[in-house]
Amino acid sequence: EPEVTQTPSHQVTQMGQEVILRCVPISNHLYFYWYRQILGQKVEFLVSFYNNEISEKSEIFDDQFSVERPDGSNFTLKIRSTKLEDSAMYFCASSRTLNTEAFFGQGTRLTVV
Amino acid sequence: QKEVEQNSGPLSVPEGAIASLNCTYSDRGSQSFFWYRQYSGKSPELIMSIYSNGDKEDGRFTAQLNKASQYVSLLIRDSQPSDSATYLCAVKTSGTYKYIFGTGTRLKVLA
Repeated sequence: EPEVTQTPSHQVTQMGQEVILRCVPISNHLYFYWYRQILGQKVEFLVSFYNNEISEKSEIFDDQFSVERPDGSNFTLKIRSTKLEDSAMYFCASSRTLNTEAFFGQGTRLTVV
Repeated sequence: QKEVEQNSGPLSVPEGAIASLNCTYSDRGSQSFFWYRQYSGKSPELIMSIYSNGDKEDGRFTAQLNKASQYVSLLIRDSQPSDSATYLCAVKTSGTYKYIFGTGTRLKVLA
């Protein structure tokens, strides 16, 4: 069964460093998303991506964040200068159409020290 | 006003009972509704989607949607200890490119 895959599963980084979280969405899906979940809190929307551009972003998704689809399969989230408060689980998701269900990857646990 | 509201729980039910999970949403333009299950430390796993008023059944799960009352529910029949998890309600509104999640309801099924 097709699934969304994310790498790495866990990343530890020093404050101020850049990190890139990687995702391979389901192959016939057209819409891609990044969400994050701080420990014990709700799943929060960061950004959505369609047709090689950002379609919507949240207030959280400020200038330190960027997304890219560098080739036909990968979808990446870059955090330019990490802060302690960026520590969270980051989930990539994809959906086939705009209003159908989204499927989530297993997540990347980012720890900023 | 919160966009998607759920009782955080925990909701405790005995094994074999019916668990009833509820969700309300604020945007009347919402058109797609989803239930996800999330085990501790894991990612959200899709259980069901529902798009029109009424009931939708899939195995032991039934989703119910009432757009007039802005209310979605999930019933789990014959609850098992393995159903113990946090259940997330998610809503998609027409014209937006995001799924909005509630805080989730923690379900405990007691053996």
